[in-house]
Amino acid sequence: AQSVAQPEDQVNVAEGNPLTVKCTYSVSGNPYLFWYVQYPNRGLQFLLKYITGDNLVKGSYGFEAEFNKSQTSFHLKKPSALVSDSALYFCAVRDLDYGGATNKLIFGTGTLLAVQP
Amino acid sequence: KAGVTQTPRYLIKTRGQQVTLSCSPISGHRSVSWYQQTPGQGLQFLFEYFSETQRNKGNFPGRFSGRQFSNSRSEMNVSTLELGDSALYLCASSQDRSGGNTIYFGEGSWLTVV
Repeated sequence: AQSVAQPEDQVNVAEGNPLTVKCTYSVSGNPYLFWYVQYPNRGLQFLLKYITGDNLVKGSYGFEAEFNKSQTSFHLKKPSALVSDSALYFCAVRDLDYGGATNKLIFGTGTLLAVQP
Repeated sequence: KAGVTQTPRYLIKTRGQQVTLSCSPISGHRSVSWYQQTPGQGLQFLFEYFSETQRNKGNFPGRFSGRQFSNSRSEMNVSTLELGDSALYLCASSQDRSGGNTIYFGEGSWLTVV
């Protein structure tokens, strides 16, 4: 069964500093990995995804993620944090069945990112 | 291009009542899935529809049901509401069931059961 884990409930970083939000995964086939962001009282916004190919994936709002197969990780990064980046971040993996990929996402527990001015 | 549209955005229901939530996917998307988000349980998958057929179902009681119409719009229904059904219900759409496709979410429907 597919699963993802976000080991940190909260990450605190000063504005202008680099940020990393961690995610590790467990899959039985090809990993289809996603990052989403949720602002208060809003839905989920897509940031980026890893399907195959380059291990460094670039996404929206200056975010990127590094896929590491040997460490089964997919950490979200940004070189310089903004106060407006403060939000809840979710890592997710696409579930697989006998037919291949499904549209069921399995989410981590979320990491609250707090960027201090 | 319009995003995933969910209605209503906010609603309050009484225990024992039923509720229907609606979702219009992004134009051209044929897959719709639903999730429940609560502070205690996080994001949990409810069901997935593709071409009007339910393809996947999460671990929820039979009070939770859904359907998809020929224009890909979807509805979910919760009958005999319980206090624990209070949650944010999120709809998501994708072009098809290809692993490489992005899954986009709507703003959600906030359900409060009193």
